[in-house]
This record gives sequence, C-alpha cells and structure tokens, in this order.
Amino acid sequence: DAKTTQPTSMDCAEGRAANLPCNHSTISGNEYVYWYRQIHSQGPQYIIHGLKNNETNEMASLIITEDRKSSTLILPHATLRDTAVYYCIVIHYNTNAGKSTFGDGTTLTVKP
Amino acid sequence: EPEVTQTPSHQVTQMGQEVILRCVPISNHLYFYWYRQILGQKVEFLVSFYNNEISEKSEIFDDQFSVERPDGSNFTLKIRSTKLEDSAMYFCASSETENTEAFFGQGTRLTVV
Repeated sequence: DAKTTQPTSMDCAEGRAANLPCNHSTISGNEYVYWYRQIHSQGPQYIIHGLKNNETNEMASLIITEDRKSSTLILPHATLRDTAVYYCIVIHYNTNAGKSTFGDGTTLTVKP
Repeated sequence: EPEVTQTPSHQVTQMGQEVILRCVPISNHLYFYWYRQILGQKVEFLVSFYNNEISEKSEIFDDQFSVERPDGSNFTLKIRSTKLEDSAMYFCASSETENTEAFFGQGTRLTVV
C-alpha cells in the first residue's frame, strides 16, 4: 500500500471549514484513499473514501487531485466535537480494507 | 444505527493470567478484526478473521494470542499469559465485505499489573 504524509497538527475555528491535506504521491491506480478519525481514546471512526472522483457524505467531502497524488478532507462546518486525530490511509482494492495501517495522522484542534 | 460493541470497557489483570476480550460485531458483517493501541502510540493491526479462520495476522499476533468466534454473534481475543507490555487499548472492528470500510468498537482498556 502507498505511504501517506500528513501534517502533524492543525487548528481550525469553530464553524469554519477544516481542510486536512494528505499526500500519497506513490498511489497506484487500484488504490483507494480512506479517511478515519479517532476522538480521544475512542475507536477509529470511518469518515469517507474515494478512488478518483470527489466524494461527499453527511460527515465530510473528499477532494482528490486529478493526478491522485494528494487529497483533502473537508469538514464544512467544524465543531468542537470534530477535535480528533485524522488518518489518511491508502488501500489497494484487492486488499482487505479492514486491515488498515494507521500512521500518525493529523491532530485537528477545533477552537471556539 | 448498528455498532460494534466490546466488553469489558476496562480490564485489570495480573501478569501471567489469561484474559479474554469480547466483541459483538455488526450482525450482517462477515469480516472481523482486532487492533491494539498502546498509550500514546499508533493503532496497530493484529489479526483479521473470516469464515471461521484467520485470514491475516501481524507480527504482533504471536502464539500468546488467539481469536475465536464461539457462536454466531461473539468474536473473542484471548491472550494466554499476559505481560506488562500487553497493556493497551484493544479495538475490535468488522466490515461487511473484504473491500468495505471497517467499523470499530469503543475498545477495551487492558491493564496488566
């Protein structure tokens, strides 16, 4: 699976959009980008995933660049409860998606 | 909304004792996983389980660990003889298919004293 690079930490004002970047320059055509988050010591929570098209669900939007070498997770209106560690993970479509390799992620702090 | 449930939420055990951590995956899911997270460290994959057998395991998952699906609903992780370094949060997860996202439980905090 391709390696990902994320900033260590980010701050965001409550009510503003949080944009979390992820670089995955070695991604292959058969690899999906998944995002999870972990709110203090709780179990990781699935957010969204995509292959090459932008995706949106009730939690977030995922923007994947045309060359697929990077992506951005967007939380449109961040709340204090969105403070968490956000993990960007690349998984080959033929790999067990549940066998995820969690890196260090980005610690997002939403401030009042 | 269906969820993965884990019991107990916190377990304290003496070094050398056996522990069993329990999980009830989401009912229509077929793939099951255990992860662990030592305090302040990354979430680490331990094992995946499908069709009543282990499909993959990591280097961490040595002979001290075993998994079982004793009935149609429970999925357990057994640590045969606990060591101090087994102290961690243990997360169970399940997914509907091999290629779909995993849903995690809230974890069991294991403390070995």
